[in-house]
Amino acid sequence: SAVISQKPSRDICQRGTSLTIQCQVDSQVTMMFWYRQQPGQSLTLIATANQGSEATYESGFVIDKFPISRPNLTFSTLTVSNMSPEDSSIYLCSVAGWTGSDTQYFGPGTRLTVL
Amino acid sequence: AQSVAQPEDQVNVAEGNPLTVKCTYSVSGNPYLFWYVQYPNRGLQFLLKYITGDNLVKGSYGFEAEFNKSQTSFHLKKPSALVSDSALYFCAVSALSDQGGKLIFGQGTELSVKP
Repeated sequence: SAVISQKPSRDICQRGTSLTIQCQVDSQVTMMFWYRQQPGQSLTLIATANQGSEATYESGFVIDKFPISRPNLTFSTLTVSNMSPEDSSIYLCSVAGWTGSDTQYFGPGTRLTVL
Repeated sequence: AQSVAQPEDQVNVAEGNPLTVKCTYSVSGNPYLFWYVQYPNRGLQFLLKYITGDNLVKGSYGFEAEFNKSQTSFHLKKPSALVSDSALYFCAVSALSDQGGKLIFGQGTELSVKP
């Protein structure tokens, strides 16, 4: 399985600011995803990060709030913009092959607290 | 629409006893089912998956899961629980799309194994 790292591992931010989270993989991967895990809850998919094109967002998530970049097959960023306390969550990136039967592997996550 | 349900928020087991963490699913077409484990302050770790073939799937750390099509279930099992198995367990189904599979997660089950 791929080795996935995320930066930062955690951060405490002020309301109204933005934070960019990086996801780095040690090998080229086809699919990259970003998930949110709110406190005490399950994971919800934010978007699929597409290499060289705009990300595909799930219902309830918009590009202005969560801009995503994927400049190549090993790297992606998620920005949480104009943060509010409701954005306090763990943000995880994952990688997978192309088909639905391919296993998704997750990064260690970024724990974000917004004051 | 695809969905996953984990009917138990928490499961308590004595060390050495068998454990079962329940999962039911709803999908159109053939299901691709996954189990993940999340230890405190860590990302998700892949345990096992069902794609096709044998209904009993074996995975990491001695875990196995039984796929039951008629009951639309995919329960996670282990013959003898360890204290170190205490963690949060997620069942997930792959929702196929034109961009590969994306995971839909159950709400999670907290497993507590007592000595």
